Amino acid sequence: EVQLVESGGGLVQPGGSLRLSCAASGFTVSRNYMNWVRQAPGKGLEWVSVIYSGGSTYYADSVKGRFTISRDNSKNTLYLQMNSLRGEDTAVYYCARGYSNNFDYWGQGTLVTVSS
Amino acid sequence: QSALTQPRSVSGSPGQSVTISCTGTSSDVGGYNYVSWYQQHPGKAPKLMIYDVSKRPSGVPDRFSGSKSGNTASLTISGLQAEDESDYYCCSYAGNYSYVFGTGTKVTVL
Repeated sequence: EVQLVESGGGLVQPGGSLRLSCAASGFTVSRNYMNWVRQAPGKGLEWVSVIYSGGSTYYADSVKGRFTISRDNSKNTLYLQMNSLRGEDTAVYYCARGYSNNFDYWGQGTLVTVSS
Repeated sequence: QSALTQPRSVSGSPGQSVTISCTGTSSDVGGYNYVSWYQQHPGKAPKLMIYDVSKRPSGVPDRFSGSKSGNTASLTISGLQAEDESDYYCCSYAGNYSYVFGTGTKVTVL
C-alpha cells in the first residue's frame, strides 16, 4: 500500500528556515517523480516543486531560489528545504507522487506558519 | 503562471448531473492532454478523480467523467450523491516542467 507521511511543519519567523520531510512506503521514491504542493488557509492548491527520477529539479516562480527539493534514497524520503520564509508561504504542504503528469497519491499534509 | 479558472460553486439535487469547467490557455489546458481533477473534503488531502483528461483511476465511480475542448476542460458528475459534496480542483501540465491548478469549485448537493 502506498503511503506518504509528511512532517517538519511548525511556526517560524519571517526570514527563517524549515525543512519538511515526506516518508514514503509501498513504492520507491527514486524511481518516481515526486512533488510538493501547498494550500494556504482557505485557498486553493499551488504546485511548488518537482524532483524527477533522474534527479532534475524544478520550482514554481514563487519559491525559486528560496526552496530546495531533494531526496534520500536510503531512507526513501523526500525533503523540502525552505529558506527566507515569508508570510505568504504559510500553508499546508503536501507531498504527492507524480504519475503521467498527474498526482496519484498524496500525504496528509503538514502546516507551516510564518509569523512573528 | 495564472491559476486556471473554475466556477466558485455549482449545485445539484441527488441524482442530477453537474459539470465543472476549467478554463486555461493554449500554454496549459489547450496544449497538453494532461488535465487532472482532484476531490478534496474539508481538512483532508486531495484525491485523484480523473487524469489525462478523461481517465479514471481504479476505485473512482464511473459517474465521474472528464473531457476537454480547446482551452477548457470539464468534469461531469452524473447521478449526484451526497458524498460527492466537496471541493474540486483541476490541474494541468503547463510546460517547462511546471503545473498549474484551478481556483477550485465547491459542489453542493441540495
